[in-house]
Amino acid sequence: KAGVTQTPRYLIKTRGQQVTLSCSPISGHRSVSWYQQTPGQGLQFLFEYFSETQRNKGNFPGRFSGRQFSNSRSEMNVSTLELGDSALYLCASSPQLGRTNTGELFFGEGSRLTVL
Amino acid sequence: AQSVTQLDSQVPVFEEAPVELRCNYSSSVSVYLFWYVQYPNQGLQLLLKYLSGSTLVKGINGFEAEFNKSQTSFHLRKPSVHISDTAEYFCAVSFLYNFNKFYFGSGTKLNVKP
Repeated sequence: KAGVTQTPRYLIKTRGQQVTLSCSPISGHRSVSWYQQTPGQGLQFLFEYFSETQRNKGNFPGRFSGRQFSNSRSEMNVSTLELGDSALYLCASSPQLGRTNTGELFFGEGSRLTVL
Repeated sequence: AQSVTQLDSQVPVFEEAPVELRCNYSSSVSVYLFWYVQYPNQGLQLLLKYLSGSTLVKGINGFEAEFNKSQTSFHLRKPSVHISDTAEYFCAVSFLYNFNKFYFGSGTKLNVKP
């Protein structure tokens, strides 16, 4: 079974630009979560999608948004980039069914964003 | 409010020595507990998890952890480390019906020296 695939792996943007990151979950996984990882703040939850619906959102400004498609693939978008948005963005999928937590996230290798 | 504390940001240890990475959590409700490992330039990989049942949990690569509810701890242990265990280790908690929102600790970098 293929793992979680994130594209692109590396990208460089300048302040004020926007970026879109893509995540393909493990086949059959319907839950996709996004996390931001930085040296100063560690791993922080961005949002989680299940069946194309955002079910939970972390404490990030509205510049951070996401969506999920009918095939469970997900994208996240960051608009008006700031220097502080430089981070590793990790996507994770889960075989969770319904509301019950099945207990494991499967992570991709991440997209490393550098904002200049 | 929920939080996860990893007391040691870095742990140096010699090869074949035992190691313990500490994790404490704060929560007013029952939790699920996890340890993930991250190798350089990679995503996170699950080492082990505690959902219910036996408080001693065994994971991959010879790691184990013990859930201590009274002390709200979930320390990770390995009796003999290898150079290949050099990585960053994250403790995490989640909750029933929480839509996969995990709270992660700040991480512990394990540096195994020859």
